Amino acid sequence: SQKIEQNSEALNIQEGKTATLTCNYTNYSPAYLQWYRQDPGRGPVFLLLIRENEKEKRKERLKVTFDTTLKQSLFHITASQPADSATYLCALSMDSSYKLIFGSGTRLLVRP
Amino acid sequence: GAVVSQHPSRVICKSGTSVKIECRSLDFQATTMFWYRQFPKQSLMLMATSNEGSKATYEQGVEKDKFLINHASLTLSTLTVTSAHPEDSSFYICSFLAEETQYFGPGTRLLVL
Repeated sequence: SQKIEQNSEALNIQEGKTATLTCNYTNYSPAYLQWYRQDPGRGPVFLLLIRENEKEKRKERLKVTFDTTLKQSLFHITASQPADSATYLCALSMDSSYKLIFGSGTRLLVRP
Repeated sequence: GAVVSQHPSRVICKSGTSVKIECRSLDFQATTMFWYRQFPKQSLMLMATSNEGSKATYEQGVEKDKFLINHASLTLSTLTVTSAHPEDSSFYICSFLAEETQYFGPGTRLLVL
């Protein structure tokens, strides 16, 4: 079965730096991959979607890359701010059912 | 846009009772929606998929008679946890599907004593 690996250790960076989070998956490539933000005690909030035939997507300070050879997606937040502190979840959709398989998330802490 | 609400936000109940969680999309309509649960420090686990007007499809290991889903309309779905037990204590989250993206509710924290 498909497994998703996200770094379980928190990423601690200084405000203004670029945060880079990693999502690795096993087995076959998903139809598309999504990144969500989750704050404590809240539901996930959609950030970006990237399809298997796309290499990169950008939205304001966010950038996602997708490498199907490495079976990896990288999520970047440039000019990070303390308000970006949250847990970031990677999720894969394998087919047209739109069901998502979630990683366990990586917690980002941005120090002022 | 794409606002989803859940009610209640948290509930405490006694073992053996039933709890109903309501999920509404406030500014869009969706045929398909999902229910997840999330245990502390773990990822979201899909429980079931439902399409408005049809019976829900449950993931392996999720008891359909215990977790009753009623997808009443394009903007409303309910999850009823029947005869709840302490092991059902978790964070329950719904989502509506719109254009390949899922929009999530704020979640319901259930504690069964």
